[in-house]
Amino acid sequence: DTGVSQNPRHKITKRGQNVTFRCDPISEHNRLYWYRQTLGQGPEFLTYFQNEAQLEKSRLLSDRFSAERPKGSFSTLEIQRTEQGDSAMYLCASSLPLLGRYGYTFGSGTRLTVV
Amino acid sequence: DQQVKQNSPSLSVQEGRISILNCDYTNSMFDYFLWYKKYPAEGPTFLISISSIKDKNEDGRFTVFLNKSAKHLSLHIVPSQPGDSAVYFCAASALGGSNYKLTFGKGTLLTVNP
Repeated sequence: DTGVSQNPRHKITKRGQNVTFRCDPISEHNRLYWYRQTLGQGPEFLTYFQNEAQLEKSRLLSDRFSAERPKGSFSTLEIQRTEQGDSAMYLCASSLPLLGRYGYTFGSGTRLTVV
Repeated sequence: DQQVKQNSPSLSVQEGRISILNCDYTNSMFDYFLWYKKYPAEGPTFLISISSIKDKNEDGRFTVFLNKSAKHLSLHIVPSQPGDSAVYFCAASALGGSNYKLTFGKGTLLTVNP
């Protein structure tokens, strides 16, 4: 395993439905992040895990959003009662503690379209 | 309030010439600056970083320059190749408790013409 894996790559859902995305980070990385990217914008921070502990949630993450990282391995991001404004690319990333020098490794993302 | 700004949405250069991508920031607590490259339908890929205590870092065709007094950094690509065509994001991390978080600019679309 040489990269961050995200599934599914694409998801089309009807407004009001629940969706769940999965992220498998690089196994040596204890830090895991979720970001969201919309058209014309850079990635925006959603949440951060160190091992299994969720240490920060952005105010962008409304009550309809929940993320977990059981056992400090893979992570899931669930969106309940989806809205059209949730349409975006959801990016997962992982890193070592020396973030500044080496940065994150991102997955290919999950493109969500809410119709 | 955008702390990392990339004011040029796009840039077009000829193959073999230099590409210069610019980034400005407002937060004096940023201690590392990073550049990412993104192709369509893929996640961003880390390119190069620079510590705030340095003014230049070079890796092959890529060089990043940091001017702390002006709160400005730039990425130079020499020589530019068609495969460099992508969106380039400038990002920064801050000292202190949120040192795990990257703040990104909006990106600059680079097109390298053959």
